[in-house]
Parts: sequence; structure tokens; C-alpha cells
Amino acid sequence: QTVVTQEPSVSVSPGATVTLTCGLRSGSVSTSYYPSWYQQTPGQPPRTLIYITDTRSSGVPDRFSGSILGDKAALTITGAQADDESHYYCVLYMGSGIWVFGGGTKLTVL
Amino acid sequence: QLQLQESGPGRVKPSETLSLTCTVSGDSIASTSYYWGWIRQPPGKGLEWIGSIYYSGSTYYNPSLKSRVTISIDTSRNQFSLMLNSVTAADTAVYSCARLNYFDLYVDLWGRGTLVAVSS
Repeated sequence: QTVVTQEPSVSVSPGATVTLTCGLRSGSVSTSYYPSWYQQTPGQPPRTLIYITDTRSSGVPDRFSGSILGDKAALTITGAQADDESHYYCVLYMGSGIWVFGGGTKLTVL
Repeated sequence: QLQLQESGPGRVKPSETLSLTCTVSGDSIASTSYYWGWIRQPPGKGLEWIGSIYYSGSTYYNPSLKSRVTISIDTSRNQFSLMLNSVTAADTAVYSCARLNYFDLYVDLWGRGTLVAVSS
């Protein structure tokens, strides 16, 4: 069974830069997995942030960026703000119509 | 306005079948540009992809749920549906329908979700 890994929790100071990662328990993440990123605040449906590795969804501030760093997909928030405090999920496309979510990262801004 | 709306019972008894429908408004479910999918989130836990369907009826399921899941599509009603059989308390979750971009392979539209509790 494919397992997509994310940091369970990360903290960042306001105004600082933080990078969240998305990996595979077995193997490396590449653009071929079409990594996408979603932000979710409690009680709300997720919001799409990034797709096909590094493309920002409409209306997403440019302080959010996506990339491949080493063997993982990465979401970088440059100049974190208080309202960036959320859960962040990555999703990888495994082929043959199959997607797998990562376990999510709880980002705390303090 | 383009939106997805889930509907169905909010409570299902253990061992029975969970059934939900997603009604798509503002777009044709017969589009060749999208998959239509179901995603769930148990209380306090992360998101889990359940499965997807293409307008042609081709289906794709999470291997861990495949034996219990059926997703179907009704293009005449602009709806797609989820059936999950033999449910247990572990299937209690917010169930959301979603639109997945066929070319860029990501979720570009989410329903608000509906809580389904498995309880006797």
C-alpha cells in the first residue's frame, strides 16, 4: 500500500519562511506524480493551493509556492501570516486513476 | 454558479450500506475534462480519497476500500453517487464529493461535505 508522508506538525514565526514536504515511504516524488496541495481550516472544505507541482490555483497569494526538493514535493510559505495557520494536505497521483492523500501537516504560526 | 452538493442519510447502522449522491450544478457532468470523486475525513483525522468516476462510467477506487465501494454516474440527472457497504464505526466521517481535473490531475472543486455517522 502506498504511503504518502508529511510532517504531522510544523511551527513558524510570523513573517518567516516555512517549507512543508510530501514524500513517499518507498521511493521519490517527482513531477510525474502531479503533486497538489490543499489548505483546510476547521469546519471548512479544503482550498486548492497548488497543482502540477508548482502552479498556483486562482486567487492564491504568491507567498505560497510549490516545488520538488530532493526526493519530495514541497510547499513553501514565504512570509507566513497568522491566517496561514491551518492543516495542509498533499496529494499524489499514482496513475491508473488512483490518488493518495498525505496524512496532513498542522501548521502553527506563533 | 458551479457547485457540488452532497445528499443522503446522516446516520447508517453498522453492517448496512452508506449511500450518498452528489448533485452538480453549473456544469455538465458529461464533460470530458473532469473526473468526479468522493473523499472522506473521519472526525479529527486526515483526508482519504475513496474513488472517482469518469463520465464514460470508468471507475477507480482506493485499493483499501475497493471491495466495499461502488461509484456510479447518472448524466441525465447530472449526479454521481457513492455506495459503501458493510459499514462500521470506522466509516464515520465527513464525506465530500469533488471534481478532479482530468488533465492536471488535481481537485479543483470541493463540495462542502456531509457527516455520516455509523451507529445503531
